[in-house]
Amino acid sequence: GIQVEQSPPDLILQEGANSTLRCNFSDSVNNLQWFHQNPWGQLINLFYIPSGTKQNGRLSATTVATERYSLLYISSSQTTDSGVYFCAVERVDTGGFKTIFGAGTRLFVKA
Amino acid sequence: DSGVTQTPKHLITATGQRVTLRCSPRSGDLSVYWYQQSLDQGLQFLIQYYNGEERAKGNILERFSAQQFPDLHSELNLSSLELGDSALYFCASSTRTTTGELFFGEGSRLTVL
Repeated sequence: GIQVEQSPPDLILQEGANSTLRCNFSDSVNNLQWFHQNPWGQLINLFYIPSGTKQNGRLSATTVATERYSLLYISSSQTTDSGVYFCAVERVDTGGFKTIFGAGTRLFVKA
Repeated sequence: DSGVTQTPKHLITATGQRVTLRCSPRSGDLSVYWYQQSLDQGLQFLIQYYNGEERAKGNILERFSAQQFPDLHSELNLSSLELGDSALYFCASSTRTTTGELFFGEGSRLTVL
């Protein structure tokens, strides 16, 4: 099946710093989403971005589907950005369409 | 608030028991998905329903079953529980038959003692 790899696995930032998280996938996909799982376990939609670039405040994402990767940019990080960031891709697999999650990037932002 | 409601939020039970987790999708969403998140396993897709019918199946154990009712809410039944079933169980919904944009509930944390 498709492989979804996220890097780095762990990241520690000083508040105010910028960062780039990467998601590589091994095959073509129909869609791609970025999620933030906060320390309380909630999964929050960040971007639904099968291709192109989107921005939402301090966050932006770019997906280059032809090269099979997506990037999530966090600027001027805040302590509330801490948590795990997941990339999830949709494709046809055995049993139908599925959304497959990467292992995540665990981010800790220090005050 | 994603609009997806899951109950209960927390559940503690013993090995061998059976539990039912409930999910109400966002208004207008016909698809419901169940995911399991264990400490070392990440988010694993279990099963999808669309308008009452099973549409896709992932790594769902035979001891687990699910259904979607006419009012579109869904239930995940976990039976003969084992310690390893302790996890966070998420429900998600979308408007489409294929996955589309997923919206997750807050999860049900199951602890099996």
